[in-house]
Parts: sequence; structure tokens; C-alpha cells
Amino acid sequence: EAQVTQNPRYLITVTGKKLTVTCSQNMNHEYMSWYRQDPGLGLRQIYYSMNVEVTDKGDVPEGYKVSRKEKRNFPLILESPSPNQTSLYFCASSLSGYEQYFGPGTRLTVT
Amino acid sequence: RKEVEQDPGPFNVPEGATVAFNCTYSNSASQSFFWYRQDCRKEPKLLMSVYSSGNEDGRFTAQLNRASQYISLLIRDSKLSDSATYLCVVNGLYNNNDMRFGAGTRLTVKP
Repeated sequence: EAQVTQNPRYLITVTGKKLTVTCSQNMNHEYMSWYRQDPGLGLRQIYYSMNVEVTDKGDVPEGYKVSRKEKRNFPLILESPSPNQTSLYFCASSLSGYEQYFGPGTRLTVT
Repeated sequence: RKEVEQDPGPFNVPEGATVAFNCTYSNSASQSFFWYRQDCRKEPKLLMSVYSSGNEDGRFTAQLNRASQYISLLIRDSKLSDSATYLCVVNGLYNNNDMRFGAGTRLTVKP
């Protein structure tokens, strides 16, 4: 089954404790992206990647890192999480960068 | 002016009604446009792309007005299952690869 998977689905952590949210797709898509969704603000793009070893900042990259060492994986790293990074995070992938397929989301709470 | 702006609603309509949503965008050079649907606590899913000539998919019609910088979504003969949040997405606001989402319009279809 073609899909985008994210792990973990739910995470509660404390300020400053490094964490990684994994994202994997099995559709051989070149384009992958991370978003955060907050009430009233909609989805905002954090980082995206057009291909292996190619990443670019989106709308709200501060406080996040990404890497794209393999085509199928695009982890999101929070080196020192803060409470304002509490949000719902979605990973997405696409063949062309246009029509995107989203993962199920990761709900992160930083206390 | 917001980059991508939608009326947040909520729109509450009876079954069988016709409902229309608009979305405005700030950059006339934007390239591609989409409508996504998001059910509560779920990931967004592509509903339809929006082409310059307008396009229709069953009960759904999408239109693009480049001169006025807005896209629209028309839903005819609303069903209970159409209840969701509808997200307007614009590609190319700042570069060829960025994707900007509107905050969404919530629709509730009632019996």
C-alpha cells in the first residue's frame, strides 16, 4: 500500500530534550516536506526537500533541522524543543512537488 | 494582505444545498492551485487541482481567476459526508517549490 508513515504519532517531552520525528514514504517520491498545523494558522511549511541531499527552508524553519540522506526518509529534528513548538506535525511527499500525500500526523507537546 | 486567505466559516448548510468557498492569494505569479480536504484530526487529502480553464469532478467544481487572484470551490447537492475543513493551497508564492496553505474553511452539512 502506498503511504507516508510518521513516528511517533504522539509525543510529550520536556523543554530542551532533543527529539526526532521520522517520516518515510514508499512511493519513490522525490519531493518531501514537513508542516506544522496550529489552530487559526493552518498548515505552515517548515522545510522541504526536492531530492536526496537537497533541502530548503519553508515558511517557519527556526528551531528545526532536517536531513535527506535517502530518498524514502525525511526526519525532522528538534535539537532543543520549546513550548512554542507544541503543534501537530505532518510530513508529506510528492512526485512533482505539487499534489502531496500526507502522513497521519504527529502530535507533539513540549512542557 | 495574507498570502493565502480563506473565509474560516463555519458554513452550516442543509443536505442538498449548494455551497461555495473562495480563496485569495497575494502573488500574481503563483503557479499552481489546489483544494485539499481535512477531516477532524486527520491528515489533509487532495480533493482537486485547479486548472486555468476550470475543472469539475462530480459534484465539485473548481475555478481560477488569475486577474482577481482567487480560486473557488463549488459543492453541489451537499452530502453529510462533505462535512470537513477545506484547505486552499497555492504553489509558487515565493519560489517554484514552496506550498502555502490557507487556514481552511469549515463546512458542516446537516440533515
